Amino acid sequence: GQQVMQIPQYQHVQEGEDFTTYCNSSTTLSNIQWYKQRPGGHPVFLIQLVKSGEVKKQKRLTFQFGEAKKNSSLHITATQTTDVGTYFCAGGSGGADGLTFGKGTHLIIQP
Amino acid sequence: DGGITQSPKYLFRKEGQNVTLSCEQNLNHDAMYWYRQDPGQGLRLIYYSQIVNDFQKGDIAEGYSVSREKKESFPLTVTSAQKNPTAFYLCASSIASVYNEQFFGPGTRLTVL
Repeated sequence: GQQVMQIPQYQHVQEGEDFTTYCNSSTTLSNIQWYKQRPGGHPVFLIQLVKSGEVKKQKRLTFQFGEAKKNSSLHITATQTTDVGTYFCAGGSGGADGLTFGKGTHLIIQP
Repeated sequence: DGGITQSPKYLFRKEGQNVTLSCEQNLNHDAMYWYRQDPGQGLRLIYYSQIVNDFQKGDIAEGYSVSREKKESFPLTVTSAQKNPTAFYLCASSIASVYNEQFFGPGTRLTVL
């Protein structure tokens, strides 16, 4: 079945540094979604990408979908303590199998 | 307030007992999902339902059962056949299909003693 791999598993940064998490699928995706889960909380939807090469921005967050629609990335510029949490990507293949989530990247910020 | 509720937040059961986790939504969403979250494993799909009285197995359905008798409700039963049931269980819903934003409930942390 479809596999979605996400790296790194953990990322420690100093406040103000940039952060990037990468997502790679074993198959071509029809869409990819990104979620954020704060410690002790539940995942919250951030964005969805559907077009090849698509780039979307939300303030300090930049999301990209690869040309081949098999990879994606989330980049945060100048991290803040409010960015702490786990970031998940979730890919869809266009079939009836639902979304497949990556294992997530835990972002830890040191003040 | 619109949203998804899961109850209870914490649940303890003895090994060998079946247990049912509640999930209710008032968002008028057609699709509902159950995920299991273990440390370092991300979210794994157990079951999902796109319409009342219909549901499909996800990646890890063995040892679980669901029902979808009402649009608002999608209870999950963890049976004694599930070999390692201790985990954090998340319910979610979305409009129409899996290709829309999923809204998650607060989760139920199940511990089997």
